[in-house]
Amino acid sequence: QVQLVESGGGVVQPERSLRLSCAASGFTFRSYDMHWVRQAPGKGLDWVALIGYDGSNKNYADSVKGRFTISRDNSKNTLYLQMNSLRAEDTAIYYCARVIGVAGRPSYYFDLWGRGTLVTVSS
Amino acid sequence: SYELTQPPSVSVSPGQTARITCSGDALSKQYAYWYQQKPGQAPVLVIYKDSERPSGIPERFSGSSSGTTVTLTISGVQAEDEADYYCQSTDNIGLYVVFGGGTKLSVL
Repeated sequence: QVQLVESGGGVVQPERSLRLSCAASGFTFRSYDMHWVRQAPGKGLDWVALIGYDGSNKNYADSVKGRFTISRDNSKNTLYLQMNSLRAEDTAIYYCARVIGVAGRPSYYFDLWGRGTLVTVSS
Repeated sequence: SYELTQPPSVSVSPGQTARITCSGDALSKQYAYWYQQKPGQAPVLVIYKDSERPSGIPERFSGSSSGTTVTLTISGVQAEDEADYYCQSTDNIGLYVVFGGGTKLSVL
């Protein structure tokens, strides 16, 4: 079954750290770029970070740059998001998503999403 | 910065046509994508590359593009279409992803 399953969410105090995982199954994980997208309670979708299929290309939203690190282990079919110096505004459901690129253009979209894991930053 | 603008809400009666717009300067050069999200669920892709429909998405969902505005059209709206809809695109070099603020479709 083709799926993504996130884990690692929970309640964490401000300025602490948390690592999220996303386990992929049913497809060739190492062939796909992957992203993290989050959604604060009652709010819209907010892109967080991307990583290329081989881990060599990474980028982050300005709001998390310098605090979050995206990585992957293709031998374990797993995507990670290391979140440091967490803030209240990082409270959200975090989704991992698989990317499909468009030939000939720097454009892509998300064709497979996990169910998300909730991160709550609160003292 | 790169922004996509959607109306916060659209309301239609069952059987009518719903149109949800998404505007942004970069849409004249980049494709737009549309996602449907129902409460408590992950988003689902309903339109890609402005107007293509993934397999399994009903034919009543269609997309179009004109200049800096893209439009998601749902013809013959059904109660099950009530959801939040988000447009998405990328910057000109594919390093950033941007979502519109989302539109809540209410089926009255």
